[in-house]
Amino acid sequence: GIQVEQSPPDLILQEGANSTLRCNFSDSVNNLQWFHQNPWGQLINLFYIPSGTKQNGRLSATTVATERYSLLYISSSQTTDSGVYFCAARGAGGGNKLTFGTGTQLKVEL
Amino acid sequence: GAGVSQSPSNKVTEKGKDVELRCDPISGHTALYWYRQSLGQGLEFLIYFQGNSAPDKSGLPSDRFSAERTGGSVSTLTIQRTQQEDSAVYLCASSLVGSLNEQFFGPGTRLTVL
Repeated sequence: GIQVEQSPPDLILQEGANSTLRCNFSDSVNNLQWFHQNPWGQLINLFYIPSGTKQNGRLSATTVATERYSLLYISSSQTTDSGVYFCAARGAGGGNKLTFGTGTQLKVEL
Repeated sequence: GAGVSQSPSNKVTEKGKDVELRCDPISGHTALYWYRQSLGQGLEFLIYFQGNSAPDKSGLPSDRFSAERTGGSVSTLTIQRTQQEDSAVYLCASSLVGSLNEQFFGPGTRLTVL
């Protein structure tokens, strides 16, 4: 099945800094999602982005499907951005599941 | 409802007991998924329901795990003869028809097997 790798595994930022999180996947995808897991464990949908670029406030994401990677950009980070960011993909080869990466643990400090 | 709901939010049980976890998907979503999140295994798929089709059970880790979806809406995940390695957060998700669509997750049930 498809493999999903995320980097970096951990990231510490000062408030106001920008960051880029990366997600590499091993096969063509027809579903790719970014989530933020908050301290209470809830998975919050950030982007549904199997291809192209989207923006939502301080967050934006780009998926280059032909090169099998996706990027999540966080600008002007805030302490409330802290948590774990997951990328998850469904391989175009079939199957019904999202395969999750191991996440990026982000901590934003004052 | 506005989102996916799950109950109970926490469940503590003794090894060997059976447990039932419930998921109520977003209204109008015909696809329903169960995942679990554990420290050692990350987030992993368990089972998928779509309408009246046979469920995709390819992620169930053993025959102690089963799930049903009645009336195309609410789903119950049952774990029989629980083991300590079953301790995890069990997450339910739903989407519009088919797994190509965006999945939305519930808050999860934290299961602790003593």
